[in-house]
Amino acid sequence: AQSVTQPDIHITVSEGASLELRCNYSYGATPYLFWYVQSPGQGLQLLLKYFSGDTLVQGIKGFEAEFKRSQSSFNLRKPSVHWSDAAEYFCAVRDDKIIFGKGTRLHILP
Amino acid sequence: DTAVSQTPKYLVTQMGNDKSIKCEQNLGHDTMYWYKQDSKKFLKIMFSYNNKELIINETVPNRFSPKSPDKAHLNLHINSLELGDSAVYFCASSQDLGLADTQSYEQYFGPGTRLTVT
Repeated sequence: AQSVTQPDIHITVSEGASLELRCNYSYGATPYLFWYVQSPGQGLQLLLKYFSGDTLVQGIKGFEAEFKRSQSSFNLRKPSVHWSDAAEYFCAVRDDKIIFGKGTRLHILP
Repeated sequence: DTAVSQTPKYLVTQMGNDKSIKCEQNLGHDTMYWYKQDSKKFLKIMFSYNNKELIINETVPNRFSPKSPDKAHLNLHINSLELGDSAVYFCASSQDLGLADTQSYEQYFGPGTRLTVT
């Protein structure tokens, strides 16, 4: 069965530091991959998506993600985080429906 | 303008009661969804509707019954509420089912309804 694994439940980084959130997927064909962000008390918002083409995908809010087929990974990155980036981040893969990972909670130190 | 709205935002009720959550989208999308997010933030799809037709019906107790009166609305009715139903329920919509390579399947989420069953 298709699945998404986010190995880190919590990540803490200092404001201004770089960020990488890990995501591994299990999918037989070419995956359609997504990263969503959920701010406290809010619904999910799409950050970026990968369908095909360039494996480095640019998203909103300064985020990017790189699809690596050989590693079955789709890690999310940001060169310099802001306090407002503190949120829950979900990686997802599309099958006949979207399957979400269990999320990574990002904490930002001042 | 709110794209996907849900009412109520909070719902506190007792075991055994019947309650409904309403969802409306003004994006002109064809497909709508209900998700359940548990206390550990795990997000799982419950139902999806495309043009008022049920497409996905995951393993959900039949106490949960979605109803789509038109493309812009997908309501969730829950009978005989149980403690385990306490969660945040999210409605979402997308332009299409995303089954063709040309379709984006980007989903837009509502703000959620926090259901607490006591």
